[in-house]
Amino acid sequence: GQNIDQPTEMTATEGAIVQINCTYQTSGFNGLFWYQQHAGEAPTFLSYNVLDGLEEKGRFSSFLSRSKGYSYLLLKELQMKDSASYLCALKRGGYQKVTFGTGTKLQVIP
Amino acid sequence: DVKVTQSSRYLVKRTGEKVFLECVQDMDHENMFWYRQDPGLGLRLIYFSYDVKMKEKGDIPEGYSVSREKKERFSLILESASTNQTSMYLCASSLFGTSGRARYNEQFFGPGTRLTVL
Repeated sequence: GQNIDQPTEMTATEGAIVQINCTYQTSGFNGLFWYQQHAGEAPTFLSYNVLDGLEEKGRFSSFLSRSKGYSYLLLKELQMKDSASYLCALKRGGYQKVTFGTGTKLQVIP
Repeated sequence: DVKVTQSSRYLVKRTGEKVFLECVQDMDHENMFWYRQDPGLGLRLIYFSYDVKMKEKGDIPEGYSVSREKKERFSLILESASTNQTSMYLCASSLFGTSGRARYNEQFFGPGTRLTVL
């Protein structure tokens, strides 16, 4: 089976940096996703990490450590529109299905 | 632009009714998925399909069935709706990803159907 843990809620200030952590336990790790979901909308893809290290994409970066079962999503220069839920999800090797964590609701305040 | 569409945004049904939720994607994706999303529980996989007429149970298949007669269409069926099936239902599609590259693994989601069973 799989176990994915994320904080339920976080609050951060506009213009600041926030790090959203995700820890997991799984067998046959294939890759780790981050999705963003605004309230009332569908999730949209942010990143997919397969190898250890940091991948940067504009204001968003995602880090993976497979040996530690740990990932984080780093959001820089926070904007009010970044207020959303951020979902960590795992893909297991040899399978097409993906298991999602319960998500972290981020509130950006002025 | 990848497009995943779902037949209804909002649906209200009575207990015991048979309910069909339809999902269509236009990107020739092999994989299609049905999830439900509930507060505090996140996205949970109900069923998925990696090819026409092929289906696999997800984590919570009880009370649901699916049909995939054509590659672009994946239907979720509630044989006899119950109040505990009131939820947001999300459909997604992706390529059949054995590569580590993001484009072969990214799931594209439809807008969701909010189903209320009375």
